[in-house]
Amino acid sequence: QSALTQPPSASGSPGQSVTISCTGTSSDVGGYNYVSWYQQHPGKVPKLIIFAVNERPSGVPDRFSGSKFANTASLTVSGLQAEDEADYYCTSYASSGSLVFGGGTKLTVL
Amino acid sequence: EMQLVESGGGLVKPGGSLRVSCAASGFTFSIAWMSWVRQAPGKGLEWVGRIKSKTSGGTPDYAALVKGRFTISRDDSTDMLSLQMTSLNTEDTAVYYCVREGSAYGFHSLDMWGQGTMVTVSS
Repeated sequence: QSALTQPPSASGSPGQSVTISCTGTSSDVGGYNYVSWYQQHPGKVPKLIIFAVNERPSGVPDRFSGSKFANTASLTVSGLQAEDEADYYCTSYASSGSLVFGGGTKLTVL
Repeated sequence: EMQLVESGGGLVKPGGSLRVSCAASGFTFSIAWMSWVRQAPGKGLEWVGRIKSKTSGGTPDYAALVKGRFTISRDDSTDMLSLQMTSLNTEDTAVYYCVREGSAYGFHSLDMWGQGTMVTVSS
């Protein structure tokens, strides 16, 4: 199972919005609504921020939102804040029964 | 407090074996699907495999890269998850995270993570 494709980097100024894409195939992203997103600050453990394409766990700010069209999922961070600077990873359930991760996107707040 | 605590990481020679474990507490371990996720130094996250709850069959699934070399098991009587790794190579060097899958927030979301244990494969 190939990794999902994410841009290696993204950036935005405080207050702006930024969108990170996650492209897979019809055997993973396109075939299931089991896309999740994780935030990882340097030296820290990953944290679930979006599940089931567009749902937020309790405690995650509504500045974080998810969507999906065909084989591409997206994470949008609105009203960027300094603490949003982190690595972001998408993952999807795949037809093989596995979970497949994206390569990760480093978000920089300018 | 819900937590996952990994142990057993260390230095192993190429071709060697190592077993890492994960102690779960604060939630009903027996009904949880549990996964292992690894992260090589400076690299991204990679799913290693999972074991389903007994009520879902208790069967493991593995990533292609580790299938046949790694074995995931669970002991619901002690709330312990294990990852037995054999035929290790340098590319298996990583932090190994014990992760709960799909319990609190929908199927196949990784909603609780341990702190990780470092496995280094080197001669």
